[in-house]
Amino acid sequence: SQQGEEDPQALSIQEGENATMNCSYKTSINNLQWYRQNSGRGLVHLILIRSNEREKHSGRLRVTLDTSKKSSSLLITASRAADTASYFCATVPGGYQKVTFGIGTKLQVIP
Amino acid sequence: DAGVIQSPRHEVTEMGQEVTLRCKPISGHNSLFWYRQTMMRGLELLIYFNNNVPIDDSGMPEDRFSAKMPNASFSTLKIQPSEPRDSAVYFCASSRTGVGANVLTFGAGSRLTVL
Repeated sequence: SQQGEEDPQALSIQEGENATMNCSYKTSINNLQWYRQNSGRGLVHLILIRSNEREKHSGRLRVTLDTSKKSSSLLITASRAADTASYFCATVPGGYQKVTFGIGTKLQVIP
Repeated sequence: DAGVIQSPRHEVTEMGQEVTLRCKPISGHNSLFWYRQTMMRGLELLIYFNNNVPIDDSGMPEDRFSAKMPNASFSTLKIQPSEPRDSAVYFCASSRTGVGANVLTFGAGSRLTVL
């Protein structure tokens, strides 16, 4: 079963705009991660935020986490055509082991 | 490190045939995961191992599916007999549990088509 649900399922923006993707989950977590998948490839880890953190930055990526609402968002600033990919959130419960993915957001950045 | 290595990359087989997918995790990683990705169901966790021991196989769809990890450097996912609805991309991923909070490194996937 899927733990996280991303929203929107698809997003199309112009190059230079910001892209925001949201993830909601159901059970308590130890941490939440975001991954990226280019077409025909495996997933690549982008950023991790722990349950006691509220915001984290990495380059053009900004992740927020609201454990009271069981939700997270991924913001990509100043998007580029190369950011075109699918983005997934993954939840990790206590125990550090089971990693469950949402259905993903398909982002298209138009040059 | 060469990363997580999966084989074959593509497999086309006929219904009823046995399919074996292989995975070599990153050296030093102690957890291994098998996922299945389809358009309809997204990325489903099938089974994961910790220190070569299966921990949770609740995602394995049917008895036709089985997975083994005989040692720390090799795992297989077997489907016998295969059916057209098994057509999907199967991913293997590995991680070092407890370090980096279980960040996964994925292989390139094995695309299975069952005719």
